[in-house]
Amino acid sequence: DAKTTQPPSMDCAEGRAANLPCNHSTISGNEYVYWYRQIHSQGPQYIIHGLKNNETNEMASLIITEDRKSSTLILPHATLRDTAVYYCIVSGGSNYKLTFGKGTLLTVNP
Amino acid sequence: NAGVTQTPKFQVLKTGQSMTLQCAQDMNHNSMYWYRQDPGMGLRLIYYSASEGTTDKGEVPNGYNVSRLNKREFSLRLESAAPSQTSVYFCASRHSSSSSNYNEQFFGPGTRLTVL
Repeated sequence: DAKTTQPPSMDCAEGRAANLPCNHSTISGNEYVYWYRQIHSQGPQYIIHGLKNNETNEMASLIITEDRKSSTLILPHATLRDTAVYYCIVSGGSNYKLTFGKGTLLTVNP
Repeated sequence: NAGVTQTPKFQVLKTGQSMTLQCAQDMNHNSMYWYRQDPGMGLRLIYYSASEGTTDKGEVPNGYNVSRLNKREFSLRLESAAPSQTSVYFCASRHSSSSSNYNEQFFGPGTRLTVL
């Protein structure tokens, strides 16, 4: 799996958009970008994934650059309950494994 | 629909004791996984089962064994616990097929294990 790089921490004001970046410059053509989050002491939760097109669901939007070497997860209106560690993971092809790094601790402030 | 359940939630062992962590899913998923998470770290894969009847090693399998009892259940056994196995253990499941590489995994609430 391609390695990902994320900032260790970010802050966001409640109600504002949170933009979490991820670099994955060694991503291969059949690999997807996945985002999971882990709220304190809980199991990780799937958020969204994409291959090369931008994706949106009820939780977030995923913007993938044209060269696929980086992506941004967008939480459009962050709430205090969005405070969590966010993991960007590259996975795909016949590889079912998820390799978790240290992620980004997003703190949403009132 | 309970999703992925794990028992026990907490456990304290003495060095050398054995125990089995239980995991069950009710989503009819083919694949199941065991991860461990140490403080301040991401999750690391211990073992996985791509389908009923198969198991394979992950990144950190030493000191553990697994059993895929049936499609619903996947257990993790520590034969002789060591302090280095103090961690939070998460089980996950995923629907898999030969035509899909969709990798949404559903995680359980975790088992917090302390080995003294």
